[in-house]
Formats: sequence, C-alpha cells, structure tokens
Amino acid sequence: AQSVTQPDIHITVSEGASLELRCNYSYGATPYLFWYVQSPGQGLQLLLKYFSGDTLVQGIKGFEAEFKRSQSSFNLRKPSVHWSDAAEYFCAVGSFNFGNEKLTFGTGTRLTIIP
Amino acid sequence: DAGVTQSPTHLIKTRGQQVTLRCSPISGHKSVSWYQQVLGQGPQFIFQYYEKEERGRGNFPDRFSARQFPNYSSELNVNALLLGDSALYLCASSLLSGEQYFGPGTRLTVT
Repeated sequence: AQSVTQPDIHITVSEGASLELRCNYSYGATPYLFWYVQSPGQGLQLLLKYFSGDTLVQGIKGFEAEFKRSQSSFNLRKPSVHWSDAAEYFCAVGSFNFGNEKLTFGTGTRLTIIP
Repeated sequence: DAGVTQSPTHLIKTRGQQVTLRCSPISGHKSVSWYQQVLGQGPQFIFQYYEKEERGRGNFPDRFSARQFPNYSSELNVNALLLGDSALYLCASSLLSGEQYFGPGTRLTVT
C-alpha cells in the first residue's frame, strides 16, 4: 500500500530565508509525486509534480523539489520565502493504471512566515 | 477557463440526516474524484468516477455513495450523518494524465 510521511507538522521561517519541507513515500513501483499548497479555507493548488526524467523539478511560485529514489524522498525547497507562502503544504503519491487514479496524501506541514 | 466548481460552499446538518454535494469538473475533464479532509489531516480518497463508471473506492462505509452524470458533473451523497463526517469535501477533475485539479471544497458541519 502506498503511503506518505511528512515528518514536520509545523515549520516557522523568517521572510527571505530558505525553506525545505520533507516528504518520504512508500510505493511499490515508480512513483508519481506531487506537492500541493492549501491556503486557509481553500482547495488545493498543484505546485509541482514528478513523473519521470530529471529528478529536480521546477514548479510555480519559485518552488522546486528533488526526487531521491534511494532515500524515498521528494523534498520541497524554495531559496527565499515570501510572507504569501504561509499556508499548508501537502505531499502526495499517485497511482494511475487502466483508468484508475488515486492520490494518497501526507498529513501536511503548516508553514508560518515571520517578518 | 472556469476551474472545478463545488456547491454548496458550506452547510450544516444534523446527525442522522442525508446530504448531497455537487461538483462540476473543468471543461473536457471526464474523471472526477472525491476526497474527505478532516481538520488537521491530509485529504483522503473516497471515490473516482470516469465516463460515469466508478473506477475506485477508498476505505469509507456504504453510507457514502456517488454518481457521475452524462455532462461529467458528479454528486457525493452521505446518508445517516455522523459527527465524524464533519470535514471539507474536495472534488478534483482530471484528463487521466496524472494531474488532478481541485475545487474549493464544501465545508460540512454535522451537529
């Protein structure tokens, strides 16, 4: 069974500082990996995805993530955070076969930005 | 282009009642999935429908059911509501390309 672990429940970062959010997954085959962001009371917005190929993927809003198969990790990074980045971040692993698709999410990391 | 839309935005129900939530996918998307997000947790998969057929079901009781219409919109029904059903219900649509696009959700409160 697929699963995702986000070990950090809450992270506080100063505005302008760098950010790394951790994600570890468990999946039997080549994983499809995603990062989503959720602002309070809102739905989920896709930041970036990894399906195959280059293990460093670029996303929207200046985010990037690196897939490391040996560590079963897909950590999200941003070199300099902005106050508007404060939100909940979810890592997810997807399964897709024969018209079936399903996302399994981690429990999320809440990001607080301090001035 | 319009994104995924969901209605209603909020609703309050009493234990034992039934509720219907609605979702309209992005134009051209034929796959619709439903997720439940309890406060403080990540979304959990409930159902996936494609071309009006159920393609996947998560670990939810039979009180939860769904259907998809010829225009690819979808409804999620929950019967005999329990306090634990209070959550944000998210709908997502896709082209079965792996990317799912989420709506704003329906906040259900059961009292």
